[in-house]
Amino acid sequence: QKEVEQNSGPLSVPEGAIASLNCTYSDRGSQSFFWYRQYSGKSPELIMSIYSNGDKEDGRFTAQLNKASQYVSLLIRDSQPSDSATYLCAGGFTGGFKTIFGAGTRLFVKA
Amino acid sequence: DVKVTQSSRYLVKRTGEKVFLECVQDMDHENMFWYRQDPGLGLRLIYFSYDVKMKEKGDIPEGYSVSREKKERFSLILESTSTNQTSMYLCASSGYEQFFGPGTRLTVL
Repeated sequence: QKEVEQNSGPLSVPEGAIASLNCTYSDRGSQSFFWYRQYSGKSPELIMSIYSNGDKEDGRFTAQLNKASQYVSLLIRDSQPSDSATYLCAGGFTGGFKTIFGAGTRLFVKA
Repeated sequence: DVKVTQSSRYLVKRTGEKVFLECVQDMDHENMFWYRQDPGLGLRLIYFSYDVKMKEKGDIPEGYSVSREKKERFSLILESTSTNQTSMYLCASSGYEQFFGPGTRLTVL
C-alpha cells in the first residue's frame, strides 16, 4: 500500500517566520512529488512540483526532496496570514496514473 | 492557463435522486480523476480514466459510475443518492501534474 504521511497540525507560526511542512512516503518507486495549497471550502491548487533530490525554489516557497530518506518538505519564507491553509503533499510513481495524497497539514500564520 | 471546470458548485438533492456531475478540461490531458473529500478523511479516489472510454475503479467506487465519451469530458454519476454521499466532489486532470476543478459541494437530504 503506497502511502504519504503528513502531520495534520495545526502548525502555527507568526507572520514573517519560516513555516516548515513535512511529508514522508512509503513507496521507493515514487518519482515525483507535489505540494498543493487548499483554502477552506476551495479546491487544491498546485504550488510546487519536485522530481530530483535537493531543493527547488519558487519565490517564497522551497521544496526539498530526499529520496534516500523518503522525505519531502516545503518551506514558506516570510509567512503571511494569506498563507493560512491546508497543505497537501502528494507523490506519483513511474508507470502509474494515480497520485497518492497525504491528508494535509493545516497551517495558521498569526498576524 | 490550465482550466478544469465542473458543472455545478453547489447541489442539493433528495435521497434516491440521480445526480450527474460533469467535468471538462481544456489541457488535452489523457488522465482524469474523480475524488471526494470529507473532513478528517482527506481526498479519496472514486474513479479515474486514462483514455477515452477507459475507466478504472479507485478506492471507493461503490455507489458511483463514470463516463468518458470524449477526451476533455469526464462525468460522475450517482444513480440513486444516499445521505452518506453528501460530500465535496473534486475533478482533476493530469499529464504529469494534477490540476483540480473548483469542486461541487453535494448535499443529499
